[in-house]
Amino acid sequence: DGGITQSPKYLFRKEGQNVTLSCEQNLNHDAMYWYRQDPGQGLRLIYYSQIVNDFQKGDIAEGYSVSREKKESFPLTVTSAQKNPTAFYLCASSSRDSPTSYGYTFGSGTRLTVV
Amino acid sequence: RKEVEQDPGPFNVPEGATVAFNCTYSNSASQSFFWYRQDCRKEPKLLMSVYSSGNEDGRFTAQLNRASQYISLLIRDSKLSDSATYLCVVNWNWGKLQFGAGTQVVVTP
Repeated sequence: DGGITQSPKYLFRKEGQNVTLSCEQNLNHDAMYWYRQDPGQGLRLIYYSQIVNDFQKGDIAEGYSVSREKKESFPLTVTSAQKNPTAFYLCASSSRDSPTSYGYTFGSGTRLTVV
Repeated sequence: RKEVEQDPGPFNVPEGATVAFNCTYSNSASQSFFWYRQDCRKEPKLLMSVYSSGNEDGRFTAQLNRASQYISLLIRDSKLSDSATYLCVVNWNWGKLQFGAGTQVVVTP
């Protein structure tokens, strides 16, 4: 079955560490997105990519980095510069035409906790 | 002012009753509208798109009021399984959806 796979499900980071969250999709979608969700808040866009080898900053990109070397993969690195990284991270994808018609397909998320 | 605003609730609804709630959006150029459902500690899942003429999907009815810039969701004959947070989602810039913080619905026996 097609879908989006995020790993790991839970991740613990020590202060000063960089960590990378994986997102893989086999839906043949062109666009991929990373969102962050904090309790009581809506999803906030971190980075997005509409095509391979290209990506743009979202609303809260500081302290994060991404790459899009393959259509299927859009990993997110949470760097030590991100001062409050504890959150629920969601990866999503959409086809070129679908964002306005069908919305996104989400992965099951990664819960990152700073210890 | 938030770009997409929702009443956080919770809306406590007896099983079998009807519940309705709104979402307001600030950008009049918004093109597409959706309701997503999110269960506790899970990813959001598309519930339904919202069309200009209003649309139904089983027990769920969505309405769009462009003049007043709000969308609504009505759930009839509520089931225990309808308990969730409902996210209002708006698109005005290709591929970049704006999410509300969600309205919590709790259906009680």
